[in-house]
Amino acid sequence: GEDVEQSLFLSVREGDSSVINCTYTDSSSTYLYWYKQEPGAGLQLLTYIFSNMDMKQDQRLTVLLNKKDKHLSLRIADTQTGDSAIYFCAESKAGYGGSQGNLIFGKGTKLSVKP
Amino acid sequence: NAGVTQTPKFRILKIGQSMTLQCTQDMNHNYMYWYRQDPGMGLKLIYYSVGAGITDKGEVPNGYNVSRSTTEDFPLRLELAAPSQTSVYFCASSNRGLAGLETQYFGPGTRLLVL
Repeated sequence: GEDVEQSLFLSVREGDSSVINCTYTDSSSTYLYWYKQEPGAGLQLLTYIFSNMDMKQDQRLTVLLNKKDKHLSLRIADTQTGDSAIYFCAESKAGYGGSQGNLIFGKGTKLSVKP
Repeated sequence: NAGVTQTPKFRILKIGQSMTLQCTQDMNHNYMYWYRQDPGMGLKLIYYSVGAGITDKGEVPNGYNVSRSTTEDFPLRLELAAPSQTSVYFCASSNRGLAGLETQYFGPGTRLLVL
């Protein structure tokens, strides 16, 4: 199966919280990342978490990591229309990634925020 | 710093034509990558480079070639364009920190249409 899996779509109302989920398969991953892609642009790093942490908070963003279940989530509080984008989960390994590269990306979750 | 720049932004090719997608970074990063992004398919790694003079194949290298004569530049060459190469192409660069922390910086992308 895929190394990193995400649901493809999420729709929320402005002001609500958004939770984007991701599962990964490689327990040796050292860092897990969330990237954001706005329409017509490249990916930008949003936040990351080291694998020995359970949670990381950065303003409206909260990342939760469940290593036992290999589950990563990104919570966006008070979601705004400007948060509409595609969000990619990614994992990296301590060793060299080889032909898949150093970062393994999920397929991305498209977040739509309705006013 | 301009970061990662890509040219052209958009190009239409006829089947069998060739072209070079340019990528330049001014962050003195060792690692550079070429990805293609197809709708709903996430990012697929085409080629990567760990430093000037060193390149290697990613997951989907067929139909492409690269070179890395300088740290800054990493051009991607399509020799005989095919409709299957219609995609959005992203170049990225990074340095790798201790324990595998890697922040990839992406260019704005090149949209390629092969007819």
